[in-house]
Amino acid sequence: EVQLVESGGGVARPGGSLRLSCAASGFTFDDYGMSWVRQAPGKGLEWVSGINWNGGSGGYADSVKGRFTISRDNAKKSLYLQMNSLRVEDTALYHCAREMAGLTGDRWFDPWGQGTLVIVSS
Amino acid sequence: SYELTQPPSVSVSPGQTASITCSGDKLGDKYVCWYQQKPGQSPVLVIYQDNKRPSGIPERFSGSNSGNTATLTISGTQAMDEADYYCLTWDSSSALFGGGTKLTVL
Repeated sequence: EVQLVESGGGVARPGGSLRLSCAASGFTFDDYGMSWVRQAPGKGLEWVSGINWNGGSGGYADSVKGRFTISRDNAKKSLYLQMNSLRVEDTALYHCAREMAGLTGDRWFDPWGQGTLVIVSS
Repeated sequence: SYELTQPPSVSVSPGQTASITCSGDKLGDKYVCWYQQKPGQSPVLVIYQDNKRPSGIPERFSGSNSGNTATLTISGTQAMDEADYYCLTWDSSSALFGGGTKLTVL
């Protein structure tokens, strides 16, 4: 069974840092790109960042560019998100998701983890 | 920047057909997928590559995409289909979600 389990969420002050982790199992981790997607309380889904299979290429939403860094350790089958200079508006449930890809380069997320909650508050 | 627009809410009677739209400039030139999210749960993929159903998703879920609009159609809607639905596409290597549509079955 494919499983993604996030951890590392918690409460941080504005300007502070947190590091999220996502442990993968049930599939060949280094065959897939991975992404982080967040959902603020009562709000919609927002893609945060994605990384390709070997960590050589990544992308970020404009809202987090320059503050967040995505990485992965294929030996540990783990995905990470280093979150610096946190803002109140970063408060959200953060999900990791496996990227599936079609032959024409299109992508979709499946499955998703249950998420880890990040609260940024003074 | 590219944007996807969904109606905030759609209502349907049990057994009827629900249609949820997702609009964007020349969206038909891109691939769209759809997610179902029930309260307190993670999103679940119901349609990918415009009109393909993952294994385990009921046949009553279907999708289309043409022109500026992608549509998720649920035929013979059941009470269990009440949920939030999100469309997703990619633009310039960034994933973009629609704002979400709350489907009410009443």
